[in-house]
Amino acid sequence: KNQVEQSPQSLIILEGKNCTLQCNYTVSPFSNLRWYKQDTGRGPVSLTIMTFSENTKSNGRYTATLDADTKQSSLHITASQLSDSASYICVVSTTTDSWGKLQFGAGTQVVVTP
Amino acid sequence: DVKVTQSSRYLVKRTGEKVFLECVQDMDHENMFWYRQDPGLGLRLIYFSYDVKMKEKGDIPEGYSVSREKKERFSLILESASTNQTSMYLCASSLPLAGGPNEQFFGPGTRLTVL
Repeated sequence: KNQVEQSPQSLIILEGKNCTLQCNYTVSPFSNLRWYKQDTGRGPVSLTIMTFSENTKSNGRYTATLDADTKQSSLHITASQLSDSASYICVVSTTTDSWGKLQFGAGTQVVVTP
Repeated sequence: DVKVTQSSRYLVKRTGEKVFLECVQDMDHENMFWYRQDPGLGLRLIYFSYDVKMKEKGDIPEGYSVSREKKERFSLILESASTNQTSMYLCASSLPLAGGPNEQFFGPGTRLTVL
């Protein structure tokens, strides 16, 4: 069973609207949580990284939240643009070893329509 | 900016062929990783390397091997390609964790089809 679950699997939103993506994880011990954006046919690109002590972090129109007690995170996209169409992947780092093993969610596919 | 490049964007091979996927990073990162990405499954770690000539198995190493002769280059080898190895392959690199959250930088991916 995947230790990082994302919802919804996909969503379609109108340009200019907001949306929120969810991530629940069970991995332990927790080191940090990241959100990546992956455009079609491209590699993932990091949006935010949050450690245990951080509960919110923004990157432009993207705002991530983290509740380490309930093991939940969300990614909020404000005033969506066509360029936001992509897969958004939640990633949890499970160790503090020097190489930082990552557990990946399956992603939420976002389609922004005009 | 960190740049991770992969030798091919698209590759088509036949069952039984030996396949080499090359990855190069230009930021002097110690750590390098190979993942495969399949629909609905997320990225899964095949192998990683934390230093030249050092390698560790990831979650799904069967059917794969790796080589790291130089710090900037990490190769994934499919000794005898099979159809179930048809997938998107992603390479990544990072600095050591060194007490803080590290970030993995990904290449553009190689979409491999095995016929």
